[in-house]
Amino acid sequence: NAGVTQTPKFRILKIGQSMTLQCTQDMNHNYMYWYRQDPGMGLKLIYYSVGAGITDKGEVPNGYNVSRSTTEDFPLRLELAAPSQTSVYFCASSSGSVREQYFGPGTRLTVT
Amino acid sequence: EDQVTQSPEALRLQEGESSSLNCSYTVSGLRGLFWYRQDPGKGPEFLFTLYSAGEEKEKERLKATLTKKESFLHITAPKPEDSATYLCAVQATQGGSEKLVFGKGMKLTVNP
Repeated sequence: NAGVTQTPKFRILKIGQSMTLQCTQDMNHNYMYWYRQDPGMGLKLIYYSVGAGITDKGEVPNGYNVSRSTTEDFPLRLELAAPSQTSVYFCASSSGSVREQYFGPGTRLTVT
Repeated sequence: EDQVTQSPEALRLQEGESSSLNCSYTVSGLRGLFWYRQDPGKGPEFLFTLYSAGEEKEKERLKATLTKKESFLHITAPKPEDSATYLCAVQATQGGSEKLVFGKGMKLTVNP
């Protein structure tokens, strides 16, 4: 039982490039989330999904896109990367609303 | 706007020296308050969920309590392996939003 897995672990992007951060969970959770964590700041919700085919914006969605075609996968797409998107990105899943979230190991992204 | 404030930002303890971490919150209607532990370079790990004032939960050396304005994480006789950043987060009732609002975290160091 791997839980929540994320790839890649590290990535350096040039300004204007695009990439997809992958997230997979094997717990059959309906709810999935993407957060970013900046030094000295709390985790900020980017997007979330309550089931396959359903996504919604979080607190900081600008510059990102998501899709949810299966229960297991919730990829995060960065279009036209900017230095402000340098951060550590965490994917999480939960079995329902107001339930504990299980986090992946994170992706450290640097945009230069 | 929902807010979560954790204090102190950092705390150094000697092994065996008990203390408490504070999480004060301002939300429109609390659905749940969560405590997580985060080790360097890893994703947050779930500790507790509290749903209503007066509720308490315990796990090994940790005990979480909740009032209408704040939550405390009490650490009894800590060990060096309790060193980590502790995160507090709240989920409010805003229109069914799934948004979890995190505090900035509290870095605990326990010296042997």
